[in-house]
This record gives sequence, structure tokens and C-alpha cells, in this order.
Amino acid sequence: QSVLTQPPSASGTPGQRVTISCSGSSSSIGSNTVGWYQQLPGTAPKLLVYSNNQRPSGVPDRFSGSKSGTSASLAISGLQSEDEADYYCAAWDDSLNGHVVFGGGTKLTVL
Amino acid sequence: QVQLQESGPGLVKPSQTLSLTCTVSGDSITSGGYFWSWIRQNPGKGLEWIGYIYYTGRTFYNPSLKSRISISADTTKNQFSLKLTSVTAADTALYYCARVPLAYKIFDYWGQGTLLTVSS
Repeated sequence: QSVLTQPPSASGTPGQRVTISCSGSSSSIGSNTVGWYQQLPGTAPKLLVYSNNQRPSGVPDRFSGSKSGTSASLAISGLQSEDEADYYCAAWDDSLNGHVVFGGGTKLTVL
Repeated sequence: QVQLQESGPGLVKPSQTLSLTCTVSGDSITSGGYFWSWIRQNPGKGLEWIGYIYYTGRTFYNPSLKSRISISADTTKNQFSLKLTSVTAADTALYYCARVPLAYKIFDYWGQGTLLTVSS
């Protein structure tokens, strides 16, 4: 059972906006920044968002992150077929002596 | 460009010890400011953080695995390694190594992963 809670699946049609949620606790998301990772089929995870809402160089601005209290969200606007992937949130957890916790992952399907 | 490359035996028998190595290029594991981490993914499942090492040798381990894991570094080869003892079928997974910038506490560069199967 993951410490961060994500919906197992999400879907949308091309061009739509989709949001994926990530729920944690006061010691994880409530006290630390959140990162989001995209894992395309058969590949390693790729950093998509860091520090709640910052995008690494090369990540399209269609991807945006936000955080409020003990929850975070990843929004994907202008959905494209190549966005079909698994998405994971992660954060440090102060109650676990600074260890990392992941969400269980959300499989995004582009219909 | 930072690159990480995992290497390992591919197949180990139950109860044996697993050893994996991550070779880093484009950065030095002694440069400071980064943890060097192991993460695994059971087939069809999510990501599980295993642990990380700082260049000083300080290590942090997932409590659920702590009794069986050891992470070490060979600074002369710019590598860090994972040892996992008493493996079972539950340890069958894709094992990734990754870099963790302490300022941001995220995994910014990942290796491609190495599949480890535990089977007799």
C-alpha cells in the first residue's frame, strides 16, 4: 500500500484537460515539495514536475503541477496520444526520517 | 549529460544475495549536493524507493528493506552498488538507479533499469 494515494486510472480524449490527484499527509506532502514522473511503456520514469510546479527543461508547458495542503495535482492540457503513460507522484516524508514515498501510480489512457 | 547505467546478473536463486552496480557518467558521485539512489518496480506494479547514499558514505534505507540491503560506493570507478540478501520471488523487479539533487529532493536522472528475476 502506497503512502501517497493516486487514482489508479484516468482518461481523456485528445485536446482535453486531465487532472491527476495525489493525496498525502502532513509529514509528506504537507511538509515537502512534490515531484511528478511520467513512465511511458517499457521505459524508465522521467521527471515531469519538481518543487510542486516547476518543469525541467524540455517538458512541455501542457504539464503543470500544483499543491495545496496535503494534496497535489498534475494537470495535462491539450491531451495528446503520446501522453498515454503511467504517472507517479513522490515526496519526502519527515515521519520516516526523510525517506521518499511514491504514489501508487495513475495509468492515463487517451481515448 | 548525466547518464546512469545499471548492471547485474539478471537471474539469482532464492535465498542468494543480489548485487547490482550503477555506473555514473557526466557527473562525479563525490561532487556533493546529490544522493545516489536505488528504486525498484515489481512487474506491473508501482515504484518503490530502496535507499540512497551520499558521497560521504552516509546511507538511508527503506525501513521495509533495511535488514536486507546495503548500498556502497566505489569513488574510483564512479559507481555505487546495491546488495540485497536472502532474496525471494517478491524481489523480482526492474531495478533503477537515479540521481537525487538535495536542493530539490527529486530523481532527476534515471538509468534505463535492469531486470532481476529470482527463480530456482
